[in-house]
Amino acid sequence: DTGVSQDPRHKITKRGQNVTFRCDPISEHNRLYWYRQTLGQGPEFLTYFQNEAQLEKSRLLSDRFSAERPKGSFSTLEIQRTEQGDSAMYLCASSLGVISTDTQYFGPGTRLTVL
Amino acid sequence: AQTVTQSQPEMSVQEAETVTLSCTYDTSENNYYLFWYKQPPSRQMILVIRQEAYKQQNATENRFSVNFQKAAKSFSLKISDSQLGDTAMYFCAFMKQGTSGSRLTFGEGTQLTVNP
Repeated sequence: DTGVSQDPRHKITKRGQNVTFRCDPISEHNRLYWYRQTLGQGPEFLTYFQNEAQLEKSRLLSDRFSAERPKGSFSTLEIQRTEQGDSAMYLCASSLGVISTDTQYFGPGTRLTVL
Repeated sequence: AQTVTQSQPEMSVQEAETVTLSCTYDTSENNYYLFWYKQPPSRQMILVIRQEAYKQQNATENRFSVNFQKAAKSFSLKISDSQLGDTAMYFCAFMKQGTSGSRLTFGEGTQLTVNP
């Protein structure tokens, strides 16, 4: 059974650059979630998809952030004009989408450092 | 909006002993789920245990069990026979029940260290 995978695992960028992260969910999971985790804190919700539809976005997701899941499989999270405050771990999770057992399983995360 | 509070930033326990991590939450929802996730150093978040709010029976998973007090909005995690591999950050999380999926709301976490 292949778990949730994320790429890259680490990204260092300069302020003002654009970055894109990829998440591949567990096969047959139709829900996909993005969270952001800063050092020593719990993850905070950013957005989620059911299949290819983006159903909810947090107010944390500013205009510089965009997420897509074009074919209902993998997802990308893009951050434009990065700022030092964007430095964090970006976590992806997926779930089967069955109401009674909708547990989210997490990937290893992408650690972003903005210099 | 839901909030989750973990009042113990750090805890330690001796190997083979029992430890309890606390979690309280606030919600106006009646149907929801509660979770404990474990995040070992530099490793990914792993589900430890889940509890459905409509179930009165406390969930158990091997050495892990919860004490769910719905009226008090309390959800503590008990780890029995602690092992060195239990050293990790533990997060309590809340999810409201919905037909189209729902976000997890996490607490601040409790860093647990198991000492040999």
